Amino acid sequence: AQSVTQLGSHVSVSEGALVLLRCNYSSSVPPYLFWYVQYPNQGLQLLLKYTSAATLVKGINGFEAEFKKSETSFHLTKPSAHMSDAAEYFCAVSASQGGSEKLVFGKGTKLTVNP
Amino acid sequence: GAVVSQHPSWVICKSGTSVKIECRSLDFQATTMFWYRQFPKQSLMLMATSNEGSKATYEQGVEKDKFLINHASLTLSTLTVTSAHPEDSSFYICSARGGTPPREQFFGPGTRLTVL
Repeated sequence: AQSVTQLGSHVSVSEGALVLLRCNYSSSVPPYLFWYVQYPNQGLQLLLKYTSAATLVKGINGFEAEFKKSETSFHLTKPSAHMSDAAEYFCAVSASQGGSEKLVFGKGTKLTVNP
Repeated sequence: GAVVSQHPSWVICKSGTSVKIECRSLDFQATTMFWYRQFPKQSLMLMATSNEGSKATYEQGVEKDKFLINHASLTLSTLTVTSAHPEDSSFYICSARGGTPPREQFFGPGTRLTVL
């Protein structure tokens, strides 16, 4: 069975500050990991994904995440927050590449960016 | 990237009526579509997986007779909430997956259902 834990349901940062959203996973097989962003009343947009290639994954909008097997983590970072980054972020794990199997989502982290 | 649409984007209905939500893949053929439910301020919960031309596979605890899923073509899946009640009010999101690599899931914009 697979699961995802996102530490911190709410994260608040100042504009221009570092963004760090935490995600830890549990998987009995090599995982494929994803970060999605959701704006109010909208669907999910893929930010980035780890599919066993490079452990440091770069995504859209300046976000990146690093897969650390020893820590079972896949934390999302962005060097400098922008007001437009305010949204809900979900980490997800899948048993196969490209999310072709079921995605299991974490509970989400709401990011607030203060001016 | 691939585009997935949902219709309607929001719907309000009376208790006891049925509501149909459509999920369409606009620029690719979706061999598999997934239906999720999202409660306010919570994560997405997978309700069912549907493959074109076959019966949907429902997750444990999801009522098959209440949430009817049809995936009749490679570009369209429908979710019908039958005899809706206020507790069915939620945000329903679909995703679609093609048959060729990379078989990534692309998400629709969601449908807000409110049952009075």
